[in-house]
Amino acid sequence: DAEITQSPRHKITETGRQVTLACHQTWNHNNMFWYRQDLGHGLRLIHYSYGVHDTNKGEVSDGYSVSRSNTEDLPLTLESAASSQTSVYFCASRGAANTGELFFGEGSRLTVL
Amino acid sequence: QKEVEQDPGPLSVPEGAIVSLNCTYSNSAFQYFMWYRQYSRKGPELLMYTYSSGNKEDGRFTAQVDKSSKYISLFIRDSQPSDSATYLCGGSGGSNYKLTFGKGTLLTVNP
Repeated sequence: DAEITQSPRHKITETGRQVTLACHQTWNHNNMFWYRQDLGHGLRLIHYSYGVHDTNKGEVSDGYSVSRSNTEDLPLTLESAASSQTSVYFCASRGAANTGELFFGEGSRLTVL
Repeated sequence: QKEVEQDPGPLSVPEGAIVSLNCTYSNSAFQYFMWYRQYSRKGPELLMYTYSSGNKEDGRFTAQVDKSSKYISLFIRDSQPSDSATYLCGGSGGSNYKLTFGKGTLLTVNP
């Protein structure tokens, strides 16, 4: 079965370190998204991509970057982790551009000390 | 103002109750509306999906969209303890079709 997987599922890091969260989908979806989920804020869009070499900023993109070198993967990088980036991160993919059906991964819980 | 507003609750109801979950949105370009269900420590999963205004029914679940008032609703009939989860409303449309979510409502159905 096709799926979307995130790794690591849990990570603890220190302030100032670079962290990369991996996202891999096997649906061959063009559209991929990264969200963070925090109590009181819900799901907020960090970055998204509509195809290889395409990346776009979401509403909370400061301190994060993504790159899309193939269809299957959209890694999220925190260049210099900050305590404010402690959160649960969800990757999602979507097949068609104009429908809302996102398929989510299980999430990556990041703690920045 | 956030594009999608949703009362975070929490909402607690007895088993068998009818549950009404509501959201408002501000982006007139939204054409697609959806409800996601998220169990604790899991990723959200699509529950209901509608295009433009109208109703959509799927078993015990009914989604309603009123574009004139920018109102999105989800009704759950004969609620079950297994319905206990966080429910997220969302909308998409416009030039880039990115999906914007409300904050989510935590629902508990008590046996």
